Amino acid sequence: DTAVSQTPKYLVTQMGNDKSIKCEQNLGHDTMYWYKQDSKKFLKIMFSYNNKELIINETVPNRFSPKSPDKAHLNLHINSLELGDSAVYFCASSQPFGDMGVSGANVLTFGAGSRLTVL
Amino acid sequence: RKEVEQDPGPFNVPEGATVAFNCTYSNSASQSFFWYRQDCRKEPKLLMSVYSSGNEDGRFTAQLNRASQYISLLIRDSKLSDSATYLCVVNQGFQKLVFGTGTRLLVSP
Repeated sequence: DTAVSQTPKYLVTQMGNDKSIKCEQNLGHDTMYWYKQDSKKFLKIMFSYNNKELIINETVPNRFSPKSPDKAHLNLHINSLELGDSAVYFCASSQPFGDMGVSGANVLTFGAGSRLTVL
Repeated sequence: RKEVEQDPGPFNVPEGATVAFNCTYSNSASQSFFWYRQDCRKEPKLLMSVYSSGNEDGRFTAQLNRASQYISLLIRDSKLSDSATYLCVVNQGFQKLVFGTGTRLLVSP
């Protein structure tokens, strides 16, 4: 069974469209994340949810709206897609960890990624 | 200054070589550190945590220098399968893990 699964794996769309990426984890983790990896391979955190509550929002444009219906799911909806949104979006999950971290709890398990191409 | 900086490489080494990567971080309050590995077109996966006293896992050794705010990864006896991008990761607190841009390693026969 896949621990963190995200769909779709590939998404090609036109500028201005709205699209969603879904993510589910079966690890029993309380915390889920969205990361964006751009063409230069830089992996940057976008959002983090702990038990359905938003805890990190890294100055992402409000065209991006995460939704967590329960702690096992974190979906990402993107409105009015722009060329610069083209990237690989990775979902991840972990156990919650304290400010200074606890060994083992900081480990992120990533999904396989969703490659978004905006034309 | 970037929060986590790494030399992007690529580092080209022959099989059997020893190679080392460094990573520097800007937030002196960071307390936990990790190395992740990312293969081409795949997701990142945890390679090892980095402990204050340094730690070893087989051919891999990680070191932490808090005074200079850098972390290192040493790979001994490189294998072809070690070819990948190695990501330095720093826990800045509040559930926020910050990734470096990665160092690419190419091991050739």
